[in-house]
Amino acid sequence: QKEVEQDPGPLSVPEGAIVSLNCTYSNSAFQYFMWYRQYSRKGPELLMYTYSSGNKEDGRFTAQVDKSSKYISLFIRDSQPSDSATYLCAMSSTNFGNEKLTFGTGTRLTIIP
Amino acid sequence: DAEITQSPRHKITETGRQVTLACHQTWNHNNMFWYRQDLGHGLRLIHYSYGVHDTNKGEVSDGYSVSRSNTEDLPLTLESAASSQTSVYFCASSTGLNSPLHFGNGTRLTVT
Repeated sequence: QKEVEQDPGPLSVPEGAIVSLNCTYSNSAFQYFMWYRQYSRKGPELLMYTYSSGNKEDGRFTAQVDKSSKYISLFIRDSQPSDSATYLCAMSSTNFGNEKLTFGTGTRLTIIP
Repeated sequence: DAEITQSPRHKITETGRQVTLACHQTWNHNNMFWYRQDLGHGLRLIHYSYGVHDTNKGEVSDGYSVSRSNTEDLPLTLESAASSQTSVYFCASSTGLNSPLHFGNGTRLTVT
């Protein structure tokens, strides 16, 4: 069993819809939780990160962490065609600028105009 | 603007050949990483470096090597390319403690 599980999709939703992307994990030591966005033929870029449990909001994006359930989510409100990308969750038990970052496999999202 | 560049963007090589993928960053970051990305596996760490002359093995290091002679560059060498090494390779860098990884745009390697 992988430490981090993520549904690969693909997920297609109409423009303007609310998107929910999720990851589950098995390592209870994870404290740092990140979401990366990866456009086609590009490298991943950090979208949001949270420490421990709770919510974090940035514009149309909300990251949610439930450590008791070992479950994290990324919500995208008022989705736009420019949000079409692969979204990767990533987690770490220590700091997240080192080799201990564990990535999910990514969910491919398409927003239909 | 500071950036991280990978070259070449695409490479086709034959089984058994030695291949080197370049990674150059102008962020002046100490930490540099090489990942491979494959369907169903996500990003897997190959090698990483925390500074000049420092190199460490990651999760999938067999068949790969790196060297760090300066801060800016971390070339990845496939000693004898195998078809199982067909993948997209990403280089990344960070300053270290709780700073995000900055990724290059990848090198797509095909081993025939």
